[in-house]
Amino acid sequence: KAGVTQTPRYLIKTRGQQVTLSCSPISGHRSVSWYQQTPGQGLQFLFEYFSETQRNKGNFPGRFSGRQFSNSRSEMNVSTLELGDSALYLCASSLGGLAEQETQYFGPGTRLLVL
Amino acid sequence: QKEVEQDPGPLSVPEGAIVSLNCTYSNSAFQYFMWYRQYSRKGPELLMYTYSSGNKEDGRFTAQVDKSSKYISLFIRDSQPSDSATYLCAMSAKGSQGNLIFGKGTKLSVKP
Repeated sequence: KAGVTQTPRYLIKTRGQQVTLSCSPISGHRSVSWYQQTPGQGLQFLFEYFSETQRNKGNFPGRFSGRQFSNSRSEMNVSTLELGDSALYLCASSLGGLAEQETQYFGPGTRLLVL
Repeated sequence: QKEVEQDPGPLSVPEGAIVSLNCTYSNSAFQYFMWYRQYSRKGPELLMYTYSSGNKEDGRFTAQVDKSSKYISLFIRDSQPSDSATYLCAMSAKGSQGNLIFGKGTKLSVKP
């Protein structure tokens, strides 16, 4: 079974631009979570989508948004980029059941550099 | 105080040593505890998953959870150079599916 894939793997943008990142979950997985990883703050939860609905959200400004499509693929958008948005953006997928915390499988990440 | 505290290291040990990695947390609602391994330029990979308190063993890896002390540990026996990576603890509360709270990670180097 193919793992979680993320595109693009690397991206360079300038301040003020916007960016869209894409994540394809493992086949059969319906939950997709997004995380930001920086050396200073570590891995921080952005949001989680299940069946095209945002189910959980972290403490990030409204410039960070996401969506999920009917095939469970997800996109994340960051508008008006700031230098501090430079990070590794990781997507993780899981089956999405509510009974308990399920195993999350991470993709390789998209490394974003904002100049 | 951050919800999850983890010593960033770096930690350097000789091959064959027993490695102990630890995290403390403040949120008593956490019930699911995980350890991930992350190699440079890669995404995190799940090593161990524990629900509530207790021990879990998988090969050379043992995870311990002490909810009374809000303390979790990962032990690596007979460490190998291939174990050199950053180890991240993660945890979540019931009802917070998809939202893992991570420690900042401990960078481990196993020298041949």
